[in-house]
Amino acid sequence: DAGITQSPRHKVTETGTPVTLRCHQTENHRYMYWYRQDPGHGLRLIHYSYGVKDTDKGEVSDGYSVSRSKTEDFLLTLESATSSQTSVYFCAISQWASDEQYFGPGTRLTVT
Amino acid sequence: GENVEQHPSTLSVQEGDSAVIKCTYSDSASNYFPWYKQELGKRPQLIIDIRSNVGEKKDQRIAVTLNKTAKHFSLHITETQPEDSAVYFCAARKAAGNKLTFGGGTRVLVKP
Repeated sequence: DAGITQSPRHKVTETGTPVTLRCHQTENHRYMYWYRQDPGHGLRLIHYSYGVKDTDKGEVSDGYSVSRSKTEDFLLTLESATSSQTSVYFCAISQWASDEQYFGPGTRLTVT
Repeated sequence: GENVEQHPSTLSVQEGDSAVIKCTYSDSASNYFPWYKQELGKRPQLIIDIRSNVGEKKDQRIAVTLNKTAKHFSLHITETQPEDSAVYFCAARKAAGNKLTFGGGTRVLVKP
């Protein structure tokens, strides 16, 4: 597996609370991505980054923000968690835009 | 934007039989089509991919075919084994792009 870790691996939080998920890579890859996985929807892109401080929206970005202050870390923040954000969140990395994406182990988030 | 549809959503096969999963995409500008396998509780992992200048690609027991005119591509698994049981996702990406659009997934069960 590529050197990608996610933390926490599991989290239960209450509606309205802020939540930050972390993706850390040791591969020095330029691109980093956040996806959410829900039954029947496959993986849907939330946000991605193409360099330090360079980020852009994916198809389901509402309610999420991201930051990348270092090459190795990409943070996903839910400013005020809602039950509809209960999901499994995967981080992925790639060296170039046209390269294969490698996925992290995932974070299971439950919003009660 | 791109839309990828995947069928069937579940597939049960007898060990040794073949399995076929089909995906259709909407954007004719897409030119990269990867397939990911996700075992229960694990991260998605790339198993095979195809680019639009190729009609078919094989890797041991798995093969992918692409019909650009009809905008569909398929995954073929021959001589299925119990370890092939997993969820399989297709995806599509445009040339000069980095965003993958995933299908909804196919749960494959190989019965011994």
